[in-house]
Amino acid sequence: EPEVTQTPSHQVTQMGQEVILRCVPISNHLYFYWYRQILGQKVEFLVSFYNNEISEKSEIFDDQFSVERPDGSNFTLKIRSTKLEDSAMYFCASTRRPQSLNTEAFFGQGTRLTVV
Amino acid sequence: DAKTTQPNSMESNEEEPVHLPCNHSTISGTDYIHWYRQLPSQGPEYVIHGLTSNVNNRMASLAIAEDRKSSTLILHRATLRDAAVYYCILRDVGGAQKLVFGQGTRLTINP
Repeated sequence: EPEVTQTPSHQVTQMGQEVILRCVPISNHLYFYWYRQILGQKVEFLVSFYNNEISEKSEIFDDQFSVERPDGSNFTLKIRSTKLEDSAMYFCASTRRPQSLNTEAFFGQGTRLTVV
Repeated sequence: DAKTTQPNSMESNEEEPVHLPCNHSTISGTDYIHWYRQLPSQGPEYVIHGLTSNVNNRMASLAIAEDRKSSTLILHRATLRDAAVYYCILRDVGGAQKLVFGQGTRLTINP
């Protein structure tokens, strides 16, 4: 069964450092998303991406965050200068059609980011 | 997206059916009802979705009340692997490109 792959599974970084979280969405999917989940809290939407553009972003997704699809397979989330409060599980997701058409979203296993 | 209300937790026994309720009294005519679940230490996983009619798939069944103000996710024969947090999410056709997760129902399965 096709799956969304995220690397690394766990990343520890020092406050102020840049991190890049990587995702390989399902190959025929066109819509990509990042969500995060702080320990013990709800899953929160960060950003959606289609046709090499951000289609929607949340208030959390400020200037410190950026997304990119550098090639035909990877989808990355960059945090420019990490803060302690960025510590969370980050999930990548993809859909074949836009989420607005109520299609099934496939999530990766997540990257646990720990900022120290 | 309209709000949903779910119990914080439920418990059931292995090999028994489980009925997970969701209230959505402010649902609009174009809101679809989606269910996702999150197994421990994993990403959310799609379970099922529907609009008005009851739906079945290999994982579960979705029973939707006639007035659509509530729905029930049915796991016909729970296994230990079904222990997870279950999220009921309303999505408007043509709405935003995101899923809005609540706190969900934490389902515990006893052996």
